[in-house]
Formats: sequence, C-alpha cells, structure tokens
Amino acid sequence: AQSVSQHNHHVILSEAASLELGCNYSYGGTVNLFWYVQYPGQHLQLLLKYFSGDPLVKGIKGFEAEFIKSKFSFNLRKPSVQWSDTAEYFCAVNAPGDDKIIFGKGTRLHILP
Amino acid sequence: NAGVTQTPKFQVLKTGQSMTLQCAQDMNHNSMYWYRQDPGMGLRLIYYSASEGTTDKGEVPNGYNVSRLNKREFSLRLESAAPSQTSVYFCASRTTEAFFGQGTRLTVV
Repeated sequence: AQSVSQHNHHVILSEAASLELGCNYSYGGTVNLFWYVQYPGQHLQLLLKYFSGDPLVKGIKGFEAEFIKSKFSFNLRKPSVQWSDTAEYFCAVNAPGDDKIIFGKGTRLHILP
Repeated sequence: NAGVTQTPKFQVLKTGQSMTLQCAQDMNHNSMYWYRQDPGMGLRLIYYSASEGTTDKGEVPNGYNVSRLNKREFSLRLESAAPSQTSVYFCASRTTEAFFGQGTRLTVV
C-alpha cells in the first residue's frame, strides 16, 4: 500500500528565506507525485505534479520539486518565500492504474513579514 | 465552469442523526473521491469511485456509505453520526490531478 511521509509538521521562515519541504513515499513501483497547497480557509489547489520525464518539476508561484527515485523523495523547494506563501502544503502519491490518491499529513508553513 | 461543487458548506448534527453530503463535478471526470481533513492528520481517503457504478473503500471508511449516482455526482452518507465524525469533508474528482471542492465543515454534537 502506498503511504506518504512529510517530516516537517510546522515550518516558520522569514520572507526571502529559501524553502525546502520534505516528502517521502512508500511504494515499490512507478508513481505519480503531487504537491498541493491549502491557503487558510480554502480548498486544496495543485502546485505541481510529476508523472514521468524530467525529475525536476516546476510549478506555479515559483515552486519546484525534485523527484529522486533512489531516495523515494519528492521535496518541494522555493528559492525565496513571500508572506503570501503562508499555507499548509500536502504531498500526495498515486500509483498509475490505481485510482487511490494518498496524502501526507501536511506541513504548515508560516512566513514572517 | 463550477468545477467541483459540494453542499452543504456547514452542518451541525446531533449524535445519531443521519445526513448526506452532496458532490457534483462538471469536468467529465471518471474518478471521484471523498476525504476528511482533521488537524494534524492531513487528508484521509474515505471512499473513492473509479467510474460510474463502482465504489471502493479508502483508508477510513467505517461509519460512511457512498453512492455514485451518475458520472457527475458522488454522495457521502453518515447513517448515524458520531462526534468522531466532526471534520471537514472534501470531495474531489480527477483525470490526472485531483480538483477539490470547497469543503463541508461538519460538527457532530
């Protein structure tokens, strides 16, 4: 069964700091990977996704993620965060051919102005 | 396009009452999902439906039932609500990535 682990539960950064949020998944085969963002009081929105090809994926709002198959990881990065990036971030995994999408427990990011 | 629409947005139930959460999507997606979101627990999959006429259990199905009424609609039913079912419920649909509704905040007292 698939599972997702997000190691950082709560991250506090100052504006302009660099961000890296960890995500590891547990599944032996090919996977599709996602990062979603949830702004306060809102629903989840897709930041980026990886299905195949270039393991460095660029998403919206300056976010990117790198798929490292040997480490079963899909970490989210942003070179310089803004106060508006304050939100909760979720990593998710799906095995091709299986309709389940399993989410991690989320990382709450707080950016200090 | 409305995307994924959930009703109601808020609901308070007494223990033992029943209710149905409605979800409809207008994106012609085959797959639909129900998740619950609780603080510190992330999103947990309750049930999902790969296509019209099929449903499968997710991670936390106990206490819930679902109906895939047609391709557009996927409802979640609580037959006898319990305080442990107090949560925010999200419906989603997808072909590749999932699109989420605005959520239903349910409180069971």
